[in-house]
Amino acid sequence: GAVVSQHPSWVICKSGTSVKIECRSLDFQATTMFWYRQFPKQSLMLMATSNEGSKATYEQGVEKDKFLINHASLTLSTLTVTSAHPEDSSFYICSAPREGESTDTQYFGPGTRLTVL
Amino acid sequence: EDQVTQSPEALRLQEGESSSLNCSYTVSGLRGLFWYRQDPGKGPEFLFTLYSAGEEKEKERLKATLTKKESFLHITAPKPEDSATYLCAVGDTGGFKTIFGAGTRLFVKA
Repeated sequence: GAVVSQHPSWVICKSGTSVKIECRSLDFQATTMFWYRQFPKQSLMLMATSNEGSKATYEQGVEKDKFLINHASLTLSTLTVTSAHPEDSSFYICSAPREGESTDTQYFGPGTRLTVL
Repeated sequence: EDQVTQSPEALRLQEGESSSLNCSYTVSGLRGLFWYRQDPGKGPEFLFTLYSAGEEKEKERLKATLTKKESFLHITAPKPEDSATYLCAVGDTGGFKTIFGAGTRLFVKA
C-alpha cells in the first residue's frame, strides 16, 4: 500500500517559537495533500488543503499566517506552526490521495504530536 | 451543513462477541462514506469506501453497509487485535473535503 511519512513524530517547543512538520509521500506522487488536527478523543479537523505549486486552501477559522503550508514538490508538503502557543498543542496528521487514484482513498501519515510549553 | 455522528462513543466486547458501530450522516450530496481504523498515537488506516445506499463491503471480520442516512460497521467474532478507534467520514460532491466523526473506541477483551 501507499506510504506517507511525517517528521518529526513528536516535538516539544517553547511558546513563541516556530515548528516545521514535514509530510512525505514515499512511493507515490501527490499533487494534493491535506493537513488535519486532532485533539484527544476528538475527530480529525481539516485545517487546509495543500496544492503542489500553488497556494494552500485554508478551512474557515484556520489562520493562514499562523499555519504556513508549502507544497514544494510532488512528494513533500510542510506545515509550519509560527509563534506557537500552548493551545496549538495537538496531534497533526497529513494525508494524500495517490496520483491516478480516486481522491476518496486517502493515505494518512502517522501523525506528529506537538506540545507547546 | 455536513455532519457525521458516531455511536456509541465507546464499546467494550468480549472476544467473539459480535456487534455493530453506527455512523449517521447528513450531507448535501454524498461523494462517498469512508471507514478508517486508528490505533493510539497513529494516523488513520483506510478500511472501506461506500458510494451508494445498499452497498456492502467486507474485509476479514469487518463488514460495512450503507443506507441513505447511516452506515454500520459490523464486527463478527472480534479479537483483541481489533481494539482501536473506528472513524467514519463523508465526502460531499462539492469537492475534496472530508468530514470525520468523533469515532467509536472499541475494546475487545480476551
